[in-house]
Amino acid sequence: DAKTTQPNSMESNEEEPVHLPCNHSTISGTDYIHWYRQLPSQGPEYVIHGLTSNVNNRMASLAIAEDRKSSTLILHRATLRDAAVYYCILRASNTGNQFYFGTGTSLTVIP
Amino acid sequence: GAGVSQSPSNKVTEKGKDVELRCDPISGHTALYWYRQSLGQGLEFLIYFQGNSAPDKSGLPSDRFSAERTGGSVSTLTIQRTQQEDSAVYLCASSRSPFDETQYFGPGTRLLVL
Repeated sequence: DAKTTQPNSMESNEEEPVHLPCNHSTISGTDYIHWYRQLPSQGPEYVIHGLTSNVNNRMASLAIAEDRKSSTLILHRATLRDAAVYYCILRASNTGNQFYFGTGTSLTVIP
Repeated sequence: GAGVSQSPSNKVTEKGKDVELRCDPISGHTALYWYRQSLGQGLEFLIYFQGNSAPDKSGLPSDRFSAERTGGSVSTLTIQRTQQEDSAVYLCASSRSPFDETQYFGPGTRLLVL
């Protein structure tokens, strides 16, 4: 299973953009990059995913490096409800759809 | 619509006892996954079911752990002769198919083994 590396914690002020980095230097050509987040006492929820091109949805943007060895999740305006643990995950397309989670980044949003 | 549900939400048991944890996936979802999350840790994959195919049990930590999925819907995770290190939150997720990028997670069952 491919590994990802994320900072243990980050802080952001409310209504400011947040850039959450992830390194995945051992990524293979068919691995998708997924981001999930887990609010306190809840199961994880899907945020965004991509393969090679940058992606945008209503929750966030995903910027993928040209060599795909790193990616950044961008929350455009952090709110208090965005305080959560954010997981960067690689899904190996040849081993089924199970995800291998790391320890994630705990995001604190300061009012 | 209804999401993934799990029961019980909390379970306290004594060391050595067997426990059963239940997961009701979203209706029509063919893929079902079990994960375990120990205190302060990320999620650990346990087992994966896809339709009527043999499950991928590669993540089960020992032979005390087993899971079934009846009729392609409800799943039960069984832990026999529980140990204190089994204490964790057990999370279930489902997806429309193994090719669906999005997994929908339930709220989890918090297991405490005394």
